[in-house]
Amino acid sequence: DAKTTQPPSMDCAEGRAANLPCNHSTISGNEYVYWYRQIHSQGPQYIIHGLKNNETNEMASLIITEDRKSSTLILPHATLRDTAVYYCIVRVTGGGADGLTFGKGTHLIIQP
Amino acid sequence: NAGVMQNPRHLVRRRGQEARLRCSPMKGHSHVYWYRQLPEEGLKFMVYLQKENIIDESGMPKERFSAEFPKEGPSILRIQQVVRGDSAAYFCASSPGTESSGNTIYFGEGSWLTVV
Repeated sequence: DAKTTQPPSMDCAEGRAANLPCNHSTISGNEYVYWYRQIHSQGPQYIIHGLKNNETNEMASLIITEDRKSSTLILPHATLRDTAVYYCIVRVTGGGADGLTFGKGTHLIIQP
Repeated sequence: NAGVMQNPRHLVRRRGQEARLRCSPMKGHSHVYWYRQLPEEGLKFMVYLQKENIIDESGMPKERFSAEFPKEGPSILRIQQVVRGDSAAYFCASSPGTESSGNTIYFGEGSWLTVV
């Protein structure tokens, strides 16, 4: 799987949009971009994933650049409960796919 | 739809005892993964299993650790003769194993092992 680069930490004010960047310049054509987060002492939580197009669900939006070398996770209205480590992972999916390789992620701290 | 279920959530073992951690995947999921997270460290892949088959165990320590996913029943991660360094959170995850829904992997809440 391709490597990803994320800032180690970010702050965001409560109620504002949190924009978390991720670089994946060596991504292959069949690799998806996945985002997970881990709140302290809990299991990793799936947020969203995409291949080429931008995606949105009830939790977040995922913006993938046209060349697919970077992406941004957007939490539209951050709350204190969004404080967590956010992981950007690129992965081939489908039958016989392997697991997820977690890096160090971005520690997002939502400030009241 | 119940998520990935792990038990026990917390387990205390003395050095030299055995630890057994259980994982029931989400309904309809046939692929199971185990990860370990040592205190203040990142998540590390251990093993990937399908029913009755180990697909990838490249992250498993060579000794004392084993995993299975039988035809019936939960997946089990077994640690024999535990040592203090085995104290960690062990996370199980599951996926459908097919292209549907992007084969997303979902995690359980973890089993916290403490070796005293």
